Amino acid sequence: DTGVSQNPRHKITKRGQNVTFRCDPISEHNRLYWYRQTLGQGPEFLTYFQNEAQLEKSRLLSDRFSAERPKGSFSTLEIQRTEQGDSAMYLCASSLTSGGLTYNEQFFGPGTRLTVL
Amino acid sequence: GDSVTQMEGPVTLSEEAFLTINCTYTATGYPSLFWYVQYPGEGLQLLLKATKADDKGSNKGFEATYRKETTSFHLEKGSVQVSDSAVYFCALGGGSQGNLIFGKGTKLSVKP
Repeated sequence: DTGVSQNPRHKITKRGQNVTFRCDPISEHNRLYWYRQTLGQGPEFLTYFQNEAQLEKSRLLSDRFSAERPKGSFSTLEIQRTEQGDSAMYLCASSLTSGGLTYNEQFFGPGTRLTVL
Repeated sequence: GDSVTQMEGPVTLSEEAFLTINCTYTATGYPSLFWYVQYPGEGLQLLLKATKADDKGSNKGFEATYRKETTSFHLEKGSVQVSDSAVYFCALGGGSQGNLIFGKGTKLSVKP
């Protein structure tokens, strides 16, 4: 296992279409995070999973966004009825959290760059 | 809410120059602090971290000290190399869920 992988790396779509991204975390990591990064900004938290449970969603995550992690391994992020404002880099990160240690190092994937025309 | 403010870039230095990138934060409690680096075409990588006040994180010649009294975590390197050219992000560990709160990033370009 060489790290967090994300597919596809690039996605171009037309406004109104649905898109789905996949993230494969480091295999033993129990936490998985999704972030969004727009040009010139730092990544912004969207949501996270502890194993298969989605425990927190940012207010940035509108109703058009949905994320799943069905077996506690890979995760998908779907955007329905895409808008031009959804154009961004979508980053996935994973970490191993044990005991009371919340801020374990997060390992990031290379991201999926979404362009909505 | 919690936030991070870091020095705006871009920053352009000559090789072997001294680097400082300022980072200050606002947070309730005692967050962990991080510097991440993003090389061109690559994902974010953790550069260093500090988990409590007065801790010094260090890696690859970079250092940052967690200063609670000034709520700062400035990144320093004594002698930069061309290979250090990248975007640097300061971040804090926010909330019980452990998500990271990032600054806007500072682009560093090092000229030979």
